[in-house]
Amino acid sequence: AQSVTQLGSHVSVSEGALVLLRCNYSSSVPPYLFWYVQYPNQGLQLLLKYTTGATLVKGINGFEAEFKKSETSFHLTKPSAHMSDAAEYFCAVGASGNQGGKLIFGQGTELSVKP
Amino acid sequence: GAVVSQHPSWVICKSGTSVKIECRSLDFQATTMFWYRQFPKQSLMLMATSNEGSKATYEQGVEKDKFLINHASLTLSTLTVTSAHPEDSSFYICSARGDREQFFGPGTRLTVL
Repeated sequence: AQSVTQLGSHVSVSEGALVLLRCNYSSSVPPYLFWYVQYPNQGLQLLLKYTTGATLVKGINGFEAEFKKSETSFHLTKPSAHMSDAAEYFCAVGASGNQGGKLIFGQGTELSVKP
Repeated sequence: GAVVSQHPSWVICKSGTSVKIECRSLDFQATTMFWYRQFPKQSLMLMATSNEGSKATYEQGVEKDKFLINHASLTLSTLTVTSAHPEDSSFYICSARGDREQFFGPGTRLTVL
């Protein structure tokens, strides 16, 4: 079975500050891990994903995440927050060998950016 | 990237009526599509997996007779909420399976009065 836990339902940062959104997963098989962003009343947009290989993954809009197997974590970071980063962020886990398959989502973290 | 559309983007209906939501992959063929529902300020919950030409696979706790899914072609899946009630009001999101990721539609806001 797989599960995802996002620590903190709401994170607030100042513009220009570091963004850190936490995600821990549980998986009985090697996981595929994803971060998605959702703006109000819209669908999900893929920020980045980890499948195999390099554990530090770079995504769009300056975001990156590091897969740490020993910590079962896949935290999302961005060095400098921008006002346009304010949105809901979801971490998700999928089964290895099935990149387009079933996803289990975390509870979501709402990111607020203060001017 | 690949584009997935949903229609309608929002719908208001009376209790007891049925509502059909369409999910289309516009520039690729998708043998598998997924349907999610999302309550306000909550995560996406997978409702069912829709496979072209075969019956959908429903997640535990999802009523298959209430949420009818049809995947008649490689670019279209439909979700019909039958005899809708106010508790069915939610944001419904579909996704289409590509080679390496799922591509999400923009969602459909359903309000049942």
